[in-house]
Amino acid sequence: SQKIEQNSEALNIQEGKTATLTCNYTNYSPAYLQWYRQDPGRGPVFLLLIRENEKEKRKERLKVTFDTTLKQSLFHITASQPADSATYLCALRGRNQGGKLIFGQGTELSVKP
Amino acid sequence: DTAVSQTPKYLVTQMGNDKSIKCEQNLGHDTMYWYKQDSKKFLKIMFSYNNKELIINETVPNRFSPKSPDKAHLNLHINSLELGDSAVYFCASSQLNGGLNNEQFFGPGTRLTVL
Repeated sequence: SQKIEQNSEALNIQEGKTATLTCNYTNYSPAYLQWYRQDPGRGPVFLLLIRENEKEKRKERLKVTFDTTLKQSLFHITASQPADSATYLCALRGRNQGGKLIFGQGTELSVKP
Repeated sequence: DTAVSQTPKYLVTQMGNDKSIKCEQNLGHDTMYWYKQDSKKFLKIMFSYNNKELIINETVPNRFSPKSPDKAHLNLHINSLELGDSAVYFCASSQLNGGLNNEQFFGPGTRLTVL
């Protein structure tokens, strides 16, 4: 069956360090993968998209990698700040699925000063 | 200047009641969605409308009925509410086949509690 898995345990890191979050999937052939940020009591907010033919994407302190052989995406936040504390969701869109996104359960990141 | 808005923000009701959640987007998008986020934070697609036509209909009980009067609105009506319906419901919108990132814009969510 199709499955998307993110680290269910919260990730606690020190300010200034690099946070790395993992998204693994099985039985999917995604056209692209997206990462969203969700703060408590709010809806998810889009951060980055990476397509199946791309290895890496960057945006300011954010970097996403996509390995379709390993069926894995890594999401990095460099020089992390307490304001980066939130839950991060990965989402896959398959081909020919009418815009349907399948979300992972999210990983909660806590950056301590 | 709210992009995707939902009402109400909180909804507390008794089992067996019927309730509606409203959603509006002012982004000019052609596609709108309803998601359910349970206590374990899983965000699951329920329905999607493109230009007022249903294009995604996941395995959702018949008690849930979406209605899209126009491209900018997608409402969710729930009949005979059950305890298991308690969750946060998110509305979202996107331009189905446009935009560099195909991102979805989410509303603030409606926390439904069924007693």
